[in-house]
Amino acid sequence: SQTIHQWPATLVQPVGSPLSLECTVEGTSNPNLYWYRQAAGRGLQLLFYSVGIGQISSEVPQNLSASRPQDRQFILSSKKLLLSDSGFYLCAWSVKSLGYGYTFGSGTRLTVV
Amino acid sequence: QKEVEQNSGPLSVPEGAIASLNCTYSDRGSQSFFWYRQYSGKSPELIMSIYSNGDKEDGRFTAQLNKASQYVSLLIRDSQPSDSATYLCAVNEGYGGATNKLIFGTGTLLAVQP
Repeated sequence: SQTIHQWPATLVQPVGSPLSLECTVEGTSNPNLYWYRQAAGRGLQLLFYSVGIGQISSEVPQNLSASRPQDRQFILSSKKLLLSDSGFYLCAWSVKSLGYGYTFGSGTRLTVV
Repeated sequence: QKEVEQNSGPLSVPEGAIASLNCTYSDRGSQSFFWYRQYSGKSPELIMSIYSNGDKEDGRFTAQLNKASQYVSLLIRDSQPSDSATYLCAVNEGYGGATNKLIFGTGTLLAVQP
């Protein structure tokens, strides 16, 4: 069966510090991968998605970047965090076809102080 | 701008009652529709998917789809306090091909009163 791992679960970082969140998927190959952010009391905002190694699409201009160095690894990064980067970050995967829902990781709660 | 709209709630129902959650979407090209449940502080969990007009039942959950009205709903029968959560409606972006992008609503908070 397929599983998705995301870490760390919680993170408190000072403004201006770097960020690296990692997500890995097991039990499938060539998945679509997604990074979402959910601000407190808000909906899910799609940040990046990837259909293959090295292929990254950005949905909104922001202080973040994403990379996919391996088929089942997706990394979210920032060189300098802002207060507005605080939120609940979710990684998700899906098969490469229409009509399939996403499976989400357990999420990382990031607080920038 | 493709949108999915939900009433934020809270929707309060007594234990044992039917909870009705509604969602409208703007993209007429959408073909796949999903309901996710998100407990406070947790990640969303897929509970229902529907692709054709009409009803789809799974246990206490029934999803209803009306593409002509661009309307999706979720009925929860015999509501339990453990059903208290935020329910997110998600709709695939029409003509998106292999990217399979989903557009999420902001969710409806359901509170089941014991």
